[in-house]
Amino acid sequence: EIVLTQSPGTLSLSPGERATLSCRASQSVSSAYLAWYQQKPGQAPRLLIYGASSRATGIPDRFSGSGSGTDFTLTISRLEPEDFAVYYCQQYGSSSTFGQGTRLEIK
Amino acid sequence: EVQLVQSGAEVKKPGESLKISCKGSGYRFTSYWIGWVRQMPGKGLEWMGIIYPGDSDTRYSPSFQGQVTISADKSISTAYLQWSSLKASDTAMYYCAREYSSENWALGYWGQGTLVTVSS
Repeated sequence: EIVLTQSPGTLSLSPGERATLSCRASQSVSSAYLAWYQQKPGQAPRLLIYGASSRATGIPDRFSGSGSGTDFTLTISRLEPEDFAVYYCQQYGSSSTFGQGTRLEIK
Repeated sequence: EVQLVQSGAEVKKPGESLKISCKGSGYRFTSYWIGWVRQMPGKGLEWMGIIYPGDSDTRYSPSFQGQVTISADKSISTAYLQWSSLKASDTAMYYCAREYSSENWALGYWGQGTLVTVSS
């Protein structure tokens, strides 16, 4: 089973700043089958990025994904107040697993 | 519009059985995989397994294999998650979610969640 490790556990930033979230896999993720989700309290997760770098429908272009192999990154170029939430990565190249999440909080 | 509507919250006792549901609409139910995700209180997301309703091909996470059963009834566009004997540690929110696009297990459409509470 592929283990995904997200870092940092918590990221404290201010609106307008740039956020960089990391997801590292214990083995290579085939065909860049890596997704990112946002979850706010009391809500279901929302798909942001699939295929490592493709934005899902309706996702603002301040969200971008990159990476391949075992190292992937979600970047939020300029944080909006509504972006403060928990973010998860998911690999679906070999069965599927989620990372443990990164909490993005307001500084 | 793609929609997944899950059954309501459940309160059960340890040892009881349970089957929760997820009804899809707004798309061809038999053509997309539907997965189940667990979220224990205050914790992260856990991928449990996934089913293709077209032929009932089902895959499980090793962590959940033998602990739950995933099924689907394509005649009523509904997927299910069931337990034969609940434990207190099964207390969690359970989400169903449909793959975003064909052969792409990124989960793009989510149900509202079903809260399962297991307590004596």
